[in-house]
Amino acid sequence: GQQLNQSPQSMFIQEGEDVSMNCTSSSIFNTWLWYKQDPGEGPVLLIALYKAGELTSNGRLTAQFGITRKDSFLNISASIPSDVGIYFCAGGFTEADKLIFGTGTRLQVFP
Amino acid sequence: GAGVSQSPSNKVTEKGKDVELRCDPISGHTALYWYRQSLGQGLEFLIYFQGNSAPDKSGLPSDRFSAERTGGSVSTLTIQRTQQEDSAVYLCASSLFGGGGAFFGQGTRLTVV
Repeated sequence: GQQLNQSPQSMFIQEGEDVSMNCTSSSIFNTWLWYKQDPGEGPVLLIALYKAGELTSNGRLTAQFGITRKDSFLNISASIPSDVGIYFCAGGFTEADKLIFGTGTRLQVFP
Repeated sequence: GAGVSQSPSNKVTEKGKDVELRCDPISGHTALYWYRQSLGQGLEFLIYFQGNSAPDKSGLPSDRFSAERTGGSVSTLTIQRTQQEDSAVYLCASSLFGGGGAFFGQGTRLTVV
């Protein structure tokens, strides 16, 4: 099925470091979303972006909706052990359409 | 309920049997999605509902898979004559409108033996 390209595929970082991951598409989207999934759980919505160029923060998380509408990034500042998990981006077109998910970034944080 | 509810949480079935997976979306959410996630993989889109109609069924892997939604609420995903490759976690999500922030259930882990 159709998927967005996420990078990096995985990251191994030290606690306290900042993290950056991004998502790119060949198609434009009207909505960009970022999710985190813990083992055995469903993905949890972290940040939703609805306007090109929008920069939104949620605690230590910051995400931006690319001006071209074909990309988005997520930054996590001062990582902590509970940030471990898989992060997915998702793009949406219109109110009558489905969400397309990225391939995921697996984050490991070492104390 | 407060969140998206899926049942059963786990299902083990014999190859060739039919299974039904249920999703109760957040009340008032018009959009409902089914995704499949194999071990360690990303989310594979299966089907999308807007109200009771399914404008996009493009992700259903074969004609053994079908889904319906009634009353703009509960949805059932049915897999007929299950095969071992159907083993995965089946996730349901709902949102106020299509293309918007969707909230996921815990998923149903299906194992076909």
